[in-house]
Amino acid sequence: GQSLEQPSEVTAVEGAIVQINCTYQTSGFYGLSWYQQHDGGAPTFLSYNALDGLEETGRFSSFLSRSDSYGYLLLQELQMKDSASYFCAVRDRRSGGYQKVTFGIGTKLQVIP
Amino acid sequence: NAGVTQTPKFQVLKTGQSMTLQCAQDMNHEYMSWYRQDPGMGLRLIHYSVGAGITDQGEVPNGYNVSRSTTEDFPLRLLSAAPSQTSVYFCASSYSPGQGVEQYFGPGTRLTVT
Repeated sequence: GQSLEQPSEVTAVEGAIVQINCTYQTSGFYGLSWYQQHDGGAPTFLSYNALDGLEETGRFSSFLSRSDSYGYLLLQELQMKDSASYFCAVRDRRSGGYQKVTFGIGTKLQVIP
Repeated sequence: NAGVTQTPKFQVLKTGQSMTLQCAQDMNHEYMSWYRQDPGMGLRLIHYSVGAGITDQGEVPNGYNVSRSTTEDFPLRLLSAAPSQTSVYFCASSYSPGQGVEQYFGPGTRLTVT
């Protein structure tokens, strides 16, 4: 089966850099996604990595190492509005042939002044 | 475009009652899914569909039924509500499972079963 591990909570200072790690175990791996969710809101897509390396989108970057089954989300120049939960998710292939997405339990990021 | 819409936003049920959570999208997405979110458990996949007429089970399908008669709609039916089904339910869609890129989530339905 699939499993993902990420830290449950992270605290960082406004203006700093924070890295949220995600390790996964799965078969038929296609790629790793990251989602952000503010309290009471719906998850929103941040990034997707299918190949090894770093993808940068503004203040956010995401990294993947397929050989290590590991990825991370990097948030730079932290702002108070970045306080939210961040989920990693793997897309893989089920035995029946369909692809599906499995989410981690989420990392609650608290940005402090 | 309205994106992904869900109704109702809030619902209280008594144990044993049945109901249908509605989900619709207007983006012509083939892939739709239902998740439940509980504290400390993240998002868990209930059922998903890769196109009209095709559905499959996720991690936690027991007590739920789905059908996909059109591309736009993907309702989730609770057959006989139980307190363990108290949760926040999210519907999501994406262009294609093969894209593997972005799922669009609805605003969620907050369900309480007493």
